[in-house]
Amino acid sequence: DIVMTQSPDSLAVSLGERATINCKSSQSVLYSSNNKNYLAWYQQKPGQPPKLLIYWASTRESGVPDRFSGSGSGTDFTLTISSLQAEDVAVYYCQQCYGNPPYTFGGGTKVEIK
Amino acid sequence: QVQLVESGGGVVQPGGSLRLSCAASGFTFSNSGMHWVRQAPGAGPESVAFIRHDESSKFYADSVKGRFTISRDNSKNTLYLQMNSLRTEDTAVYYCVKPRWVAGSLAGFGDWGQGTLVTVSS
Repeated sequence: DIVMTQSPDSLAVSLGERATINCKSSQSVLYSSNNKNYLAWYQQKPGQPPKLLIYWASTRESGVPDRFSGSGSGTDFTLTISSLQAEDVAVYYCQQCYGNPPYTFGGGTKVEIK
Repeated sequence: QVQLVESGGGVVQPGGSLRLSCAASGFTFSNSGMHWVRQAPGAGPESVAFIRHDESSKFYADSVKGRFTISRDNSKNTLYLQMNSLRTEDTAVYYCVKPRWVAGSLAGFGDWGQGTLVTVSS
């Protein structure tokens, strides 16, 4: 199975500042035939299921604010929150969706307000 | 809109069994592959089982292989997870998940139920 490793485990950012979360996969999740990276990002708040934010590494889900952006290719990916808002306090997970299931998740990054 | 409602969770002793159900609505269930994802307390999600729309293929995480069985009844728009030989480490919230497809490509796990809690304890 593909192992997903996120860093840092947690970070505290001031309101309006940038938050950056990293995710590394143990093998490439880039599908060469269509040049898509099968990497998704989720936001989870307490007592709720995860919410899909970004898929194909950089495509925002409908309704997701544009302060959320994803980048990267192959094995190294980044989720950036350009200007942290109070409602962005949550745990963020990356997930690979490459090949056959099961599709593994990273360990999560907890984002808090400094 | 898509609705996924899980049921069947509860407290069970180690070695016991439970069957989870997920009632689906708001989309053509018989056309969609479906996943079960679990999340232990304080941990990240773990994708444990998948079934294709027509049951032609099933996939399991190594942690549950041989103990859990995923199935579906397309006439009832319902997904199931039969869990046998339960262990304390199976304690988690279990979610029913519909994958998102965009232009014919998998685009993550777009729709989640609210989950049902399974507690394995003596």
